[in-house]
Amino acid sequence: EPEVTQTPSHQVTQMGQEVILRCVPISNHLYFYWYRQILGQKVEFLVSFYNNEISEKSEIFDDQFSVERPDGSNFTLKIRSTKLEDSAMYFCASSLDSSYNEQFFGPGTRLTVL
Amino acid sequence: RKEVEQDPGPFNVPEGATVAFNCTYSNSASQSFFWYRQDCRKEPKLLMSVYSSGNEDGRFTAQLNRASQYISLLIRDSKLSDSATYLCVVSAFSGNTPLVFGKGTRLSVIA
Repeated sequence: EPEVTQTPSHQVTQMGQEVILRCVPISNHLYFYWYRQILGQKVEFLVSFYNNEISEKSEIFDDQFSVERPDGSNFTLKIRSTKLEDSAMYFCASSLDSSYNEQFFGPGTRLTVL
Repeated sequence: RKEVEQDPGPFNVPEGATVAFNCTYSNSASQSFFWYRQDCRKEPKLLMSVYSSGNEDGRFTAQLNRASQYISLLIRDSKLSDSATYLCVVSAFSGNTPLVFGKGTRLSVIA
């Protein structure tokens, strides 16, 4: 069964450093998303991406964040200058088309900012 | 005002019990409704979509009341493997729109 994959599974970084989280969505999916979940909190939407551009973003997704689809398979989330409060689980998701909103989630990257 | 509210639990039930979870949502424009399941430190996984007419999938039954903005999930004949956090999820429209998650209700099924 096709699945969303994410690398790395765990990333530890120093405050102020840049991190890039990588995702490979399901191959025939067209819509891509990033969510985050701070430990003990709810899953929160960050950004959605379609047709090589951001379609929607939340207020969490400020200028420190960016997304990119550098090739036909990868979808990346970059945090330019990490803060302690960026420590969270980051989930990538993808969905097939716009008629049905089932989103399939990757296993997540645990980001720890020290 | 929280967008999606759930009783955090935990619900501790014996194997074979029937357990029900409830959820309310604040955005009356919500069009799509789901229950996701999340195991500890894992990704959310879709359990079932929730339709206006109500729907059943094996031991799981979901109901939607649009007038009250209320969603429910019933699990019959609980199994140990049902132990997880159950996330109530809504989105504003059909299609490519952000999912809005509740904080989840934790279920522990005990032998």
